Parts: sequence; C-alpha cells; structure tokens
Amino acid sequence: RKEVEQDPGPFNVPEGATVAFNCTYSNSASQSFFWYRQDCRKEPKLLMSVYSSGNEDGRFTAQLNRASQYISLLIRDSKLSDSATYLCVGSYDKVIFGPGTSLSVIP
Amino acid sequence: NAGVTQTPKFQVLKTGQSMTLQCAQDMNHNSMYWYRQDPGMGLRLIYYSASEGTTDKGEVPNGYNVSRLNKREFSLRLESAAPSQTSVYFCASSLRVAGYTFGSGTRLTVV
Repeated sequence: RKEVEQDPGPFNVPEGATVAFNCTYSNSASQSFFWYRQDCRKEPKLLMSVYSSGNEDGRFTAQLNRASQYISLLIRDSKLSDSATYLCVGSYDKVIFGPGTSLSVIP
Repeated sequence: NAGVTQTPKFQVLKTGQSMTLQCAQDMNHNSMYWYRQDPGMGLRLIYYSASEGTTDKGEVPNGYNVSRLNKREFSLRLESAAPSQTSVYFCASSLRVAGYTFGSGTRLTVV
C-alpha cells in the first residue's frame, strides 16, 4: 500500500461548482500535512497547510481526520484558474507526496 | 527573487551518456532535495541534503549521485543514463517541510 494515496481523477466540474478531494495516509506517525498545487508542466507550489482544527483560505478549506487517517481539500465556487493537479503531502521523519488528483474546471 | 534555479530545462541523452543537473537556491535554505516525477507515480525522492556537507539517499537513489557543493548548490549526476531515467526532475529547497520551494524542472529523455 502506498503511504499517501489519492484518487487520480480527473475531476471535471463546471465553473461555480464545489469539489472535494480526499487523501489517505498509512503512517499514523505522520505529523504534518499539506496540499500543493501543480499546474501542467510546472513545478508544485504550496497551497495550504492542514490542521486538525481545519484550515480555510478563501474558497479553499482543508481538514485533517487523524482517526480515519485522511485529509481533505474542499474548493468552493470553482474557477477556471483552479484547473491543476493537487498533491497531498504527509510527513513524519520524511516527506511523502501523493500522486496527485487532476481537476479540470469547465466553462 | 530567483528562488530555486535549475539547469538545463530540457535534455536528451543517449543511453550510457552522463550528465549533471545543476540546482542553486538563493533563500539561504539548509535543506535541498532532488525528486523525479513520472506519470501516476508522484514525486519520488532521489537524494537530499539536510545541510551543507551532508547527503542522504531517498527512495530511488540507484543510478544517481549528488554533490552539495556549498549551501546554495546541489547537483545531481547521472553517470550512465538509462531509458528508465527518462523523467521530469525537480530540485527543491526548504527551511522546514512547509517551506518547500521547487525549481521549474528538467525534462530529461534518454533514448
């Protein structure tokens, strides 16, 4: 089993829709979690950190559920510019990137 | 405000050729990393350097060597390129986990 797993998608959603991604992790010792965004043929960039109490940044909300060992990313009011691959990241003594979930927002 | 600079951006090698990928950061970060990214596999760590003068193997180190030349520079060398090393290579640096800054990548094809 991979240490960090994501549904690869693609998720195709219309503009204005709400979309949610989940990511599961296998190592209960994982301490820190993040979501990165990667545009096509570009480098990953940090989107937001994930805390047990939840973390909101504008239209983006991230949640951590330690009991079930998953993290989520919710995007409200999707924009065309949100089209990208979203990478889930977990870390303990090393950093593990998930394979990414592809999102396409359609006009 | 350069961040992390990688060179070259593209490279085609013949099987058995060698090359060095260069990476430099100007953010005074202690840690630097080399990843490769393949479709459906995500980012896999090749080597990392927690500080100047130290290097450690990551998940997929075979076929690669690294040098942490100084605090700014961390190079990745392929001694004898193989088609399985066709990939996109990213260098990154960080002060801490959340502070990962990636270079723009090197697209390497080995024929």
